[in-house]
Amino acid sequence: DSGVTQTPKHLITATGQRVTLRCSPRSGDLSVYWYQQSLDQGLQFLIQYYNGEERAKGNILERFSAQQFPDLHSELNLSSLELGDSALYFCASSVGFREEQYFGPGTRLTVT
Amino acid sequence: GQQVMQIPQYQHVQEGEDFTTYCNSSTTLSNIQWYKQRPGGHPVFLIQLVKSGEVKKQKRLTFQFGEAKKNSSLHITATQTTDVGTYFCAGRNFNKFYFGSGTKLNVKP
Repeated sequence: DSGVTQTPKHLITATGQRVTLRCSPRSGDLSVYWYQQSLDQGLQFLIQYYNGEERAKGNILERFSAQQFPDLHSELNLSSLELGDSALYFCASSVGFREEQYFGPGTRLTVT
Repeated sequence: GQQVMQIPQYQHVQEGEDFTTYCNSSTTLSNIQWYKQRPGGHPVFLIQLVKSGEVKKQKRLTFQFGEAKKNSSLHITATQTTDVGTYFCAGRNFNKFYFGSGTKLNVKP
């Protein structure tokens, strides 16, 4: 158990819909990262927040957005969903922005 | 754009054989991290290398960071079935992390 929690564990939704994925970092960690992992693929870095502010942006689509709240939990919003958005979405946290990342169990999103 | 390439994509070994995965970046990295993801699991941090030419060992695992800080390797000596999983490198350039595509290791008992 890494100490990072993600909800929900599974999500099935239809194309065109909008969903919100939630992440709670380890106690004391200020950075939250979001990654997308498609079937048998590597990890695509989406976005990083540090202490409530966006710090780095990766290959995040315009249909996706994220934020980190004052209590440091983070949400990833995915809208106008397409079949290709089906993937495992991981959240990770770290103390700062250079240290090792601790990954949550992931949210498996299926778009039908 | 920035890319981190990892080879091989798959490796099947007999238990007891050695295994190596290589990571190459198109640009200089600030540091490199290695993660292991078991089937059905999430990535778990193994190690971070920061200095040029750095070598670190963890039991049967040896990690190296190239002199130019553009490549890295992970070598496992005498693999065991518990080593099964996908090994990812992650290079940091400025504020972003770039994960390699991973090497999936299968160990036959």
